[in-house]
Amino acid sequence: GQSLEQPSEVTAVEGAIVQINCTYQTSGFYGLSWYQQHDGGAPTFLSYNGLDGLEETGRFSSFLSRSDSYGYLLLQELQMKDSASYFCAAGRDDKIIFGKGTRLHILP
Amino acid sequence: DSGVTQTPKHLITATGQRVTLRCSPRSGDLSVYWYQQSLDQGLQFLIQYYNGEERAKGNILERFSAQQFPDLHSELNLSSLELGDSALYFCASSVNSPSGNTIYFGEGSWLTVV
Repeated sequence: GQSLEQPSEVTAVEGAIVQINCTYQTSGFYGLSWYQQHDGGAPTFLSYNGLDGLEETGRFSSFLSRSDSYGYLLLQELQMKDSASYFCAAGRDDKIIFGKGTRLHILP
Repeated sequence: DSGVTQTPKHLITATGQRVTLRCSPRSGDLSVYWYQQSLDQGLQFLIQYYNGEERAKGNILERFSAQQFPDLHSELNLSSLELGDSALYFCASSVNSPSGNTIYFGEGSWLTVV
């Protein structure tokens, strides 16, 4: 089967760094991606890892380790506007499967 | 604005009825994906089309069907609606099959079944 596991909620303080983990049981997939979704909004693409290692895009970084079936999204210098749900996703056989999402709460 | 257009934005209908949700992909995108998102649930993959042909199926109910037309727009048909079908239905598109896992979502169609 194909599944991606991520924590349901994470809480962090404004200005801090937070890491959202994603473990997967999806063989033969082509990469791990991350999406952000604000309440009532559409998911928007944040980052993609096609190869092992770290990808950095501004305040957001994403990491993938295929040997560990594990990835994470790192958000730095947290801002209140980063309060949202974050989904990891993996593609295989023309499907893109999403995890259930991690709700990020940011405290002032 | 992702460039993916979905209509209607909101829809309220009664149990047993049938509705059609419409999606226009981004200009140049050949692949269209449909997802269902219920309250506190993740994005459940329903079905994917590429250039008019069905390419992948997820947990789509037999009461649901979809198609992609020659102009690449897509429709998701939901029939014999049940209360549990109330959800936010997203359409997404990409240039081709999901290399790079980068797909662009529309704003969604809120379906309420009463």
